[in-house]
Amino acid sequence: QKEVEQNSGPLSVPEGAIASLNCTYSDRVSQSFFWYRQYSGKSPELIMSIYSNGDKEDGRFTAQLNKASQYVSLLIRDSQPSDSATYLCAVNPAGGTSYGKLTFGQGTILTVHP
Amino acid sequence: GAVVSQHPSWVICKSGTSVKIECRSLDFQATTMFWYRQFPKQSLMLMATSNEGSKATYEQGVEKDKFLINHASLTLSTLTVTSAHPEDSSFYICSAVLRDRGNYGYTFGSGTRLTVV
Repeated sequence: QKEVEQNSGPLSVPEGAIASLNCTYSDRVSQSFFWYRQYSGKSPELIMSIYSNGDKEDGRFTAQLNKASQYVSLLIRDSQPSDSATYLCAVNPAGGTSYGKLTFGQGTILTVHP
Repeated sequence: GAVVSQHPSWVICKSGTSVKIECRSLDFQATTMFWYRQFPKQSLMLMATSNEGSKATYEQGVEKDKFLINHASLTLSTLTVTSAHPEDSSFYICSAVLRDRGNYGYTFGSGTRLTVV
């Protein structure tokens, strides 16, 4: 079983729609969770980090974390063609006062079509 | 925000030669740097973890004598691919750990596209 698993893609949504990206993780002690966006040929850039159960909103992006279900998601509202990229879910097993090696999911390719 | 400067952004080298990739933290001290490799259409694979002033820790299956990592200062970590071969062609990315409002975050360099011919 993969340690971090993302919903299979590619995901295609029309411009203006909500894109929903999902991620599950196997290590129950994981404490820090990250969503990165990666354009083709570029390195990952941080979209959201979340450390506590619940929702965290930043502009058009909302991250949701449910540690009991070992599930983290990213919602993109009002999707734009510029959001088309690969989205990587990453998990840090350590707590907030320490850090560990990030484990990445396989990525979900999102395409927003006009 | 915290920036990790990675150079070169791309490099082409002949088989059997060595290539050095540098990552510098520009406005913070990077005690720990992670080095990743990414093949086309795949996710990031951690190669090694380097800590300033100590030997790097390599992931299983990564040859430490082939991928030399040096982290001699708090602002500079280097990865040298020795005796490169075409199968080493990949996208190499460094990532530094930094505090982010009480929690730890990870910032990435811009990546180095290595092509071995």
